[in-house]
Amino acid sequence: EPEVTQTPSHQVTQMGQEVILRCVPISNHLYFYWYRQILGQKVEFLVSFYNNEISEKSEIFDDQFSVERPDGSNFTLKIRSTKLEDSAMYFCASGLGERGDTGELFFGEGSRLTVL
Amino acid sequence: GESVGLHLPTLSVQEGDNSIINCAYSNSASDYFIWYKQESGKGPQFIIDIRSNMDKRQGQRVTVLLNKTVKHLSLQIAATQPGDSAVYFCAENNPVAGTALIFGKGTTLSVSS
Repeated sequence: EPEVTQTPSHQVTQMGQEVILRCVPISNHLYFYWYRQILGQKVEFLVSFYNNEISEKSEIFDDQFSVERPDGSNFTLKIRSTKLEDSAMYFCASGLGERGDTGELFFGEGSRLTVL
Repeated sequence: GESVGLHLPTLSVQEGDNSIINCAYSNSASDYFIWYKQESGKGPQFIIDIRSNMDKRQGQRVTVLLNKTVKHLSLQIAATQPGDSAVYFCAENNPVAGTALIFGKGTTLSVSS
């Protein structure tokens, strides 16, 4: 069964450092997302990406964050200068269709980011 | 037996019981809803979805009920099994906001045998 894969599974970094989290979405999907989940809390939407550009973003997704689809398979989330409060599990998700199609999103296993 | 009521952060049931997990969604304009299951250390996993033109949808051992009047969603799990132990999240989509799903607070379901 096709799945969304994420690397690294866990990254520890120092405050102020840049971090890049990587995702390989399901190959025929068109919509890509990043979500985050602070320990014990709900899953929060960060950004969605379609047709090689950001289509929606939340208040959390400020200038420190950026996303890129550098080739036909990878989808990355970059945090330019990490803060302690960026410590969370970051989930990549991908989806197949437009609204009117299934809106189901398939999630990866997550990348745990710990900022010290 | 079964447990009903307002949103609870945790729900404990015996194996074989029916479970009901509730969710209040935030936006009356939302027209698509999904229940996700999240096991420890893993990403959310799709369980069942429902669109706003329906009140009820059934899957294998699961049923989702939608009450648009009070903006309430519930997930019913029949004959709950230990493998159902997880955190359950409801998620909504508002078409004006695009395709992103907005997640609600989770309910931790613990099934004891």
